[in-house]
Amino acid sequence: AQTVTQSQPEMSVQEAETVTLSCTYDTSESDYYLFWYKQPPSRQMILVIRQEAYKQQNATENRFSVNFQKAAKSFSLKISDSQLGDAAMYFCAYREGAQKLVFGQGTRLTINP
Amino acid sequence: EAGVTQFPSHSVIEKGQTVTLRCDPISGHDNLYWYRRVMGKEIKFLLHFVKESKQDESGMPNNRFLAERTGGTYSTLKVQPAELEDSGVYFCASGSIDQLHFNEQFFGPGTRLTVL
Repeated sequence: AQTVTQSQPEMSVQEAETVTLSCTYDTSESDYYLFWYKQPPSRQMILVIRQEAYKQQNATENRFSVNFQKAAKSFSLKISDSQLGDAAMYFCAYREGAQKLVFGQGTRLTINP
Repeated sequence: EAGVTQFPSHSVIEKGQTVTLRCDPISGHDNLYWYRRVMGKEIKFLLHFVKESKQDESGMPNNRFLAERTGGTYSTLKVQPAELEDSGVYFCASGSIDQLHFNEQFFGPGTRLTVL
């Protein structure tokens, strides 16, 4: 079965600095999707960024970028110029096709002003 | 466009009682998923509907959980009878069968269930 591991339960960063959240996964498939979701306090989960496994180029969305290492099965999220609004739980997730998402345990990110 | 909505936002019940959670997906979304997060652990998949049909219910923990999606619109998840270990946050997500959007799943705010 596919598994997703986030080894950092909590992270903190100074406002305007850069932080990287780690995620590793295990699968025997070659075609899949990887996602980072963000859940702010008392708000619903939203998609931050996604990566298709067949694409070698790392996905980027404004201040958010990923480092996708397919051979190493690693999918880290880098947040540049951290802002107070980035404080949230971040979940890494894996999916094949239109099937279920498999989530990691989550990383709670705190932004220090 | 209205997002995924869930009702209630919170529910506190006693062990042995019955609770029904409701999810209204985004209009036109054929895919509907239920997930839950128990005691700060990872979010786990419960089941997946395509329209009114159960596509995958491999994550349903036991027969105390019953999910329905009559008419392929909203879905309900009933827990009967509830046990202490059922406490957690139940998330619903919906998605369209649309390759352009990579079958993205849009999440509701969740229902926090507490079983005393």
